[in-house]
Amino acid sequence: DTGVSQDPRHKITKRGQNVTFRCDPISEHNRLYWYRQTLGQGPEFLTYFQNEAQLEKSRLLSDRFSAERPKGSFSTLEIQRTEQGDSAMYLCASSLIGLAGTQNIQYFGAGTRLSVL
Amino acid sequence: AQSVTQLDSQVPVFEEAPVELRCNYSSSVSVYLFWYVQYPNQGLQLLLKYLSGSTLVKGINGFEAEFNKSQTSFHLRKPSVHISDTAEYFCAVRISGGSNYKLTFGKGTLLTVNP
Repeated sequence: DTGVSQDPRHKITKRGQNVTFRCDPISEHNRLYWYRQTLGQGPEFLTYFQNEAQLEKSRLLSDRFSAERPKGSFSTLEIQRTEQGDSAMYLCASSLIGLAGTQNIQYFGAGTRLSVL
Repeated sequence: AQSVTQLDSQVPVFEEAPVELRCNYSSSVSVYLFWYVQYPNQGLQLLLKYLSGSTLVKGINGFEAEFNKSQTSFHLRKPSVHISDTAEYFCAVRISGGSNYKLTFGKGTLLTVNP
């Protein structure tokens, strides 16, 4: 169990550029969540996957954002035409839904810090 | 919808002093409660959780929290803090039913332990 891994740890980009982040969840975890954390705030839910299916998207996720989890393992979050307001820490978490479905303890990665200049 | 209020944005304490970080929540349905800690430039680490059973829950690093349903609170306590406890602490809730299980976080409390 190597934990949740996110890459890159830091990304600096110019306004208008596209960026893509990757998240590798804990092996065999079937749930994967994306959160966004801005300065001075707690993390806010963006979207989640069960296996490869994206089951819910927050209103925070504008049309410029897209997330995928093609084989039910790693996930990518892409932001197109970045804006300065996109500057934040993007956190990934994974969990395992068991037969009872009552635990779902989420384990977080270290995050990707995005700075849009 | 659920919401979480962390009443103190910053809590400075001296080493070996006791500390309490306050958390109140609002929800129309039953919830599970969590405390996470975030060290600088790191992700969130689970400190402890309340799912059911005893309202006093113990976590890692000597922390404990008490669930009070009537006061809708879940305050975090430690009897004696160390310099290494300096970090940001987040209280979070999620509904106990349903299928989404997304977490709703408070804004965090920065605990600074001074020598």
